[in-house]
Amino acid sequence: GQQVMQIPQYQHVQEGEDFTTYCNSSTTLSNIQWYKQRPGGHPVFLIQLVKSGEVKKQKRLTFQFGEAKKNSSLHITATQTTDVGTYFCAGWIGFGNEKLTFGTGTRLTIIP
Amino acid sequence: KAGVTQTPRYLIKTRGQQVTLSCSPISGHRSVSWYQQTPGQGLQFLFEYFSETQRNKGNFPGRFSGRQFSNSRSEMNVSTLELGDSALYLCASSLIALAGSITGELFFGEGSRLTVL
Repeated sequence: GQQVMQIPQYQHVQEGEDFTTYCNSSTTLSNIQWYKQRPGGHPVFLIQLVKSGEVKKQKRLTFQFGEAKKNSSLHITATQTTDVGTYFCAGWIGFGNEKLTFGTGTRLTIIP
Repeated sequence: KAGVTQTPRYLIKTRGQQVTLSCSPISGHRSVSWYQQTPGQGLQFLFEYFSETQRNKGNFPGRFSGRQFSNSRSEMNVSTLELGDSALYLCASSLIALAGSITGELFFGEGSRLTVL
């Protein structure tokens, strides 16, 4: 079935290092959203990308939507302990009958 | 502005029982969607309601059902509980119906953590 996969599943980085998570869909996405879930918390919306090849930045976070609208990435520069959590991409799949399908998530832990 | 409120936050049930979870969306939000979150399966879409109508449904058995009231509050029900139903059930509200390129930012509640023994 239609799936949205993320890699890696887990990532441990030293504080100050960069981090990237990749999101891949088997089908073209209408648009893509990114959410962050802190340990014990609930997902919180970060951003939405709509256009092919779109790049958006939020301070140390850079989000990119692929040209074919089948993949996306989130890059964090110089990670901080506050970046700990699980990052989910969520893609709109199924033109005309869209469902927001969440990726499998990447859990980021920071080593101080 | 109050956020999305889910009740109860925690509950323990036994196999075969049924459970009803409640969700109050952000004021003015008419779309409510439900997700099941488990460590192994991530966030799985259950269903979405807009203006009291179920607009979309995920791949869950008929034991999972929901409804939305005229004030946009929503409930989901799981009947004949199984051990595998143990999960965090998240409700999310959105200002408008979820569709394509229209902004559909989801605001999640804290969730209801269900344990089935």
